[in-house]
Amino acid sequence: DAMVIQNPRYQVTQFGKPVTLSCSQTLNHNVMYWYQQKSSQAPKLLFHYYDKDFNNEADTPDNFQSRRPNTSFCFLDIRSPGLGDAAMYLCATSRDIWTFSNQPQHFGDGTRLSIL
Amino acid sequence: SQQGEEDPQALSIQEGENATMNCSYKTSINNLQWYRQNSGRGLVHLILIRSNEREKHSGRLRVTLDTSKKSSSLLITASRAADTASYFCATDAGSSGSARQLTFGSGTQLTVLP
Repeated sequence: DAMVIQNPRYQVTQFGKPVTLSCSQTLNHNVMYWYQQKSSQAPKLLFHYYDKDFNNEADTPDNFQSRRPNTSFCFLDIRSPGLGDAAMYLCATSRDIWTFSNQPQHFGDGTRLSIL
Repeated sequence: SQQGEEDPQALSIQEGENATMNCSYKTSINNLQWYRQNSGRGLVHLILIRSNEREKHSGRLRVTLDTSKKSSSLLITASRAADTASYFCATDAGSSGSARQLTFGSGTQLTVLP
């Protein structure tokens, strides 16, 4: 089935040690999003790509970066993780919303990041 | 800032009963969407209602939208234990940057007891 796949499901890293989370999709969607979700909270958008056009949310810390080498893959890099970065990180995709309006987003199962 | 607020924050019901969750938002929207999230998993899209629609059905789900009150409700009929999950409303309020974005509400944790 076409889907959004996130690897790994669980990631443990040390305080200050860079970490990369990955997301791949077989839906051929133009738009890919990264969200941070802390326990019992709503997902918070960090940034999104529309094709290769990167859009950062104003309050996303500089510590968070993203790469999208091709349509199928997108990476979240956390350069120097702090204890406050422990969370579930969700990747999502959507179709070209300017051609197809009113589209839902399709989510992966997330990567739960723990910081030691 | 968070667009949607949901109530109740938590809801516990018996299997077979109906569950109603409410969502309020602050600005005009293109559409409103409901998502389910099982514990430790990603969000699953349930239903989308456009701003010019008032009610929509999908299986055991019924969603209403009142744009004058900036509110929506999700009704799950004849609930099952498998419906236990967190439910989020999300509003699509137009573009910011190059793509439309969703703003999620705070969520309702639904527990269905067998």
